[in-house]
Amino acid sequence: QKEVEQDPGPLSVPEGAIVSLNCTYSNSAFQYFMWYRQYSRKGPELLMYTYSSGNKEDGRFTAQVDKSSKYISLFIRDSQPSDSATYLCAMSVWSGNQFYFGTGTSLTVIP
Amino acid sequence: ETGVTQTPRHLVMGMTNKKSLKCEQHLGHNAMYWYKQSAKKPLELMFVYNFKEQTENNSVPSRFSPECPNSSHLFLHLHTLQPEDSALYLCASSLGVAGAQETQYFGPGTRLLVL
Repeated sequence: QKEVEQDPGPLSVPEGAIVSLNCTYSNSAFQYFMWYRQYSRKGPELLMYTYSSGNKEDGRFTAQVDKSSKYISLFIRDSQPSDSATYLCAMSVWSGNQFYFGTGTSLTVIP
Repeated sequence: ETGVTQTPRHLVMGMTNKKSLKCEQHLGHNAMYWYKQSAKKPLELMFVYNFKEQTENNSVPSRFSPECPNSSHLFLHLHTLQPEDSALYLCASSLGVAGAQETQYFGPGTRLLVL
């Protein structure tokens, strides 16, 4: 079983839609959860991180962690064409430097 | 601009060639990483260096040989690669590796094709 599961998509939505991206994981020791955004021909860039369960909001982005279900989500409100990218989830145990990544979900926002 | 540069951006090599990938970070970080990104697969951590010392080697084949002469530079020496080694090779850096909260900053990657 993979450490982290993520639907690769592709996901295509109209501009202004609410986007929901999700990952599930198997290791209950994960404490630190991250979302990276990767544009074509670029390296991943950290979008948001959260520690343990709960919600975190940053502008149009909301990261949600449900440790009881081993499920994390990234919501994008009022999606824009500039949000078109691949979104990678990643997670790690607090004290380690080993990050476990999902495969990434390809998102296209259509004007 | 992330402050992490990688050269070359694209590389085509035969299985008998020897080549090197270079990474440089201008962020004053102490830790550097090599990752492999293949289509439809998660990022795979290959090597970690902290203060020039290798701290992780995730069972990477010996045909990949890392070198970290200082905290700003990281190399990946390649020899006798296989076609399945074709992938995007990403370099990253972080201030430290003391905890999972250390943000990693990625370079743009080197797209490698092995013929």
